[in-house]
Amino acid sequence: KAGVTQTPRYLIKTRGQQVTLSCSPISGHRSVSWYQQTPGQGLQFLFEYFSETQRNKGNFPGRFSGRQFSNSRSEMNVSTLELGDSALYLCASSLSGTVNTEAFFGQGTRLTVV
Amino acid sequence: AQKITQTQPGMFVQEKEAVTLDCTYDTSDPSYGLFWYKQPSSGEMIFLIYQGSYDQQNATEGRYSLNFQKARKSANLVISASQLGDSAMYFCAMRDPPGGGKLIFGQGTELSVKP
Repeated sequence: KAGVTQTPRYLIKTRGQQVTLSCSPISGHRSVSWYQQTPGQGLQFLFEYFSETQRNKGNFPGRFSGRQFSNSRSEMNVSTLELGDSALYLCASSLSGTVNTEAFFGQGTRLTVV
Repeated sequence: AQKITQTQPGMFVQEKEAVTLDCTYDTSDPSYGLFWYKQPSSGEMIFLIYQGSYDQQNATEGRYSLNFQKARKSANLVISASQLGDSAMYFCAMRDPPGGGKLIFGQGTELSVKP
């Protein structure tokens, strides 16, 4: 059974550009959530999608957006990149994202903004 | 709102010994679950073990076990027979709210296994 796949693994972008990250969940999983990890702030929740609908959103500016497709694959987009957006972005896949379901993570996308 | 606290920023353990990583949590919901993840320097978050609040027995997965004490609101991870490959960051997490898709994490504990 394939795990959670995030692409690309590494990315270098310039301030002001935009970027799109992709996450393919485990087959059959319908919940995908995204997290930003930085040394200073730790792991912070960005948003969660379930069956193509955003179900929950963290406290991030509108430059951060996402979507989920009918095959449960999800993308997140960051527009007008800032230096502070440099981070490891992780996505997690769950069967349903409820209390008793486990969450499995991908390898992450390491974004560097220069 | 739920809260997770890990008070050990870093720990050392000798190879082949057991180690306990602490995690305390705060929630007013009767139904919840605790997760433990391992994050090596490569960045991937590896799922280790899960404990539900209504589970009668402490969870175990190979060398990993959870010392779950509901009354004290603690869910400590025990790693038996430590190996060099266990050196990594370890995070305790739970869903917030318990029935939702969002995970909240503790600050993490960096474990170093010495040969």
